[in-house]
Amino acid sequence: DAKTTQPNSMESNEEEPVHLPCNHSTISGTDYIHWYRQLPSQGPEYVIHGLTSNVNNRMASLAIAEDRKSSTLILHRATLRDAAVYYCILRDWSQAGTALIFGKGTTLSVSS
Amino acid sequence: ETGVTQTPRHLVMGMTNKKSLKCEQHLGHNAMYWYKQSAKKPLELMFVYSLEERVENNSVPSRFSPECPNSSHLFLHLHTLQPEDSALYLCASSSLADSTDTQYFGPGTRLTVL
Repeated sequence: DAKTTQPNSMESNEEEPVHLPCNHSTISGTDYIHWYRQLPSQGPEYVIHGLTSNVNNRMASLAIAEDRKSSTLILHRATLRDAAVYYCILRDWSQAGTALIFGKGTTLSVSS
Repeated sequence: ETGVTQTPRHLVMGMTNKKSLKCEQHLGHNAMYWYKQSAKKPLELMFVYSLEERVENNSVPSRFSPECPNSSHLFLHLHTLQPEDSALYLCASSSLADSTDTQYFGPGTRLTVL
């Protein structure tokens, strides 16, 4: 499986935008970029995913580099509830029904 | 979010006890997963069930025994566990037909083995 690299931790202030980077230099052409997050004492939850184009949903935006070797999860206005561990995961479409491979992710702290 | 429920939420057991963890999904999915999250470690897969058949066993010791009686329910039977098995056990489900390949997780069972 292609590997992702994320910073161990990041800090943000409430109401400010947060940019969470992910490097995936060995990504293959069929790998989708998925983001999950895990709030304290909860199971992971899906945030967003994309292939080549930037994506927006109600939770976040995903900016994908033109060469697809990196991506950035953007939280437009961080809230205290966004404090969580954020995981960047690569998935090939053929991997449906197989395990997600979690790394250590980025621990996001949000201060008021 | 109540799509995937897990019971109990917390469990304390001795090494000689037998207990079971239950997972139920109300999303109409046809794949279910058990993951383990030990302290300070990433989540790691234990088992995958696809269409009620076990398709992956990630070298899990036999003291953990999964059961999938139907597409909505998944159990993890525990017996003669060790203290190092103390962890958060997470259940997830997904639809094999979902083009987004999203997995939906339950809240987990926090297990402590004394």
